[in-house]
Amino acid sequence: DQQVKQNSPSLSVQEGRISILNCDYTNSMFDYFLWYKKYPAEGPTFLISISSIKDKNEDGRFTVFLNKSAKHLSLHIVPSQPGDSAVYFCAAPWRGGADGLTFGKGTHLIIQP
Amino acid sequence: NAGVTQTPKFQVLKTGQSMTLQCAQDMNHNSMYWYRQDPGMGLRLIYYSASEGTTDKGEVPNGYNVSRLNKREFSLRLESAAPSQTSVYFCASSESRQPNQPQHFGDGTRLSIL
Repeated sequence: DQQVKQNSPSLSVQEGRISILNCDYTNSMFDYFLWYKKYPAEGPTFLISISSIKDKNEDGRFTVFLNKSAKHLSLHIVPSQPGDSAVYFCAAPWRGGADGLTFGKGTHLIIQP
Repeated sequence: NAGVTQTPKFQVLKTGQSMTLQCAQDMNHNSMYWYRQDPGMGLRLIYYSASEGTTDKGEVPNGYNVSRLNKREFSLRLESAAPSQTSVYFCASSESRQPNQPQHFGDGTRLSIL
């Protein structure tokens, strides 16, 4: 069973507005979460991460929020730009520690002009 | 900056054939990983190598073998390819096995098994 779930396969947002991508997880032992961005025919690239000891991490236009009690995290992109159109994956350590990641199915973000 | 290089980029095999996917990184990273991505799915960990000389199974290791040839190279072998192994395969590397060390990915090998 998937430990990291992204329930929205796609999301369409107007350029300049806020994009909010959501992720839920089942394993309460997860202590670190990462977001990756993927363009077609390329490998994923690391975007931003958050430790479970924090509830927010910000890097430029990207902010990740973590709600441990709800086992939920979200990625906010403000303002959204055309180059943000991509598939976004939420990920966590595969076995709750080190040694590889388990990924959600991804959300395809489409930024409309 | 090459980063993580995977060869080949595309391959078509017949059922039962064998093949080795190559991966090399030039970032002096200690840890390397192989993932597969099926349509509409996230990436799933096949095997990983926490450091040179060690390898271990991930979530979906059946039908695969790996070799950590040296610090730079980590290969994935299909001994007898099956249609269920049709997928896009990604190799990744990171400075260490800790999750706060982001993984850097290659651009993938698209493998079709007929």
